[in-house]
Amino acid sequence: EIVLTQSPTTMAASPGEKVTITCRASSSVSYMHWYQQKPGASPKPWIYDTSKLASGVPNRFSGSGSGTSYSLTISSMETEDTATYYCQQWSSNSPTFGAGTKLELK
Amino acid sequence: EVQLVESGGGLVQPGRSLKLSCAASGFTFSNYGMHWIRQAPTKGLEWVASISPSGGSTYYRDSVKGRFTISRDNAKSTLYLQMDSLRSEDTATYYCATDTSYYDGTYYYDVMDAWGQGASVTVSS
Repeated sequence: EIVLTQSPTTMAASPGEKVTITCRASSSVSYMHWYQQKPGASPKPWIYDTSKLASGVPNRFSGSGSGTSYSLTISSMETEDTATYYCQQWSSNSPTFGAGTKLELK
Repeated sequence: EVQLVESGGGLVQPGRSLKLSCAASGFTFSNYGMHWIRQAPTKGLEWVASISPSGGSTYYRDSVKGRFTISRDNAKSTLYLQMDSLRSEDTATYYCATDTSYYDGTYYYDVMDAWGQGASVTVSS
């Protein structure tokens, strides 16, 4: 099973600040997906196939990476971006998720 | 509009069984693979099981193999998760989610596109 390690676990950002969340895989993967989850709500697909934004996702979000290292970046933090973000990969019909990064407003 | 509505959750004693349902609407259910994903209280997401569109192929995480069974009734547009021999560590909110396959030009990939609101399962004596 491929293990995904996200960092940081928790972070706080000020409005307008650039935010980067990283996800490292224990073995090389072809792509990474990211999901956003707000308290009391179901997760939503946010970025898929490493860099494609899901429908309705603001273009201040971007995704990048390859091999074992991937990242989600917010160019300018906004209040509505407070949430927990999970990376996710598929390997051998066994999807795994990272432990999540909780993003708070400073 | 795609809708997934889970039901069947509740409080159950260790060793007992519970069956979750996920009623789907707003899309052609029989064309999509489906997943169950769970989230223990204050914890992260954990994939549980998947099933192909026809139901002919199923996949499970190791910790539930032999105890959980995923199935579907395409005529009723409903996904199921039969959970037997439940343990305290199975306590979680269980989400059903659709599987959408995409082709990048060089490889296929799957996305858990739509999620239900979740069903809470508590395993405790």
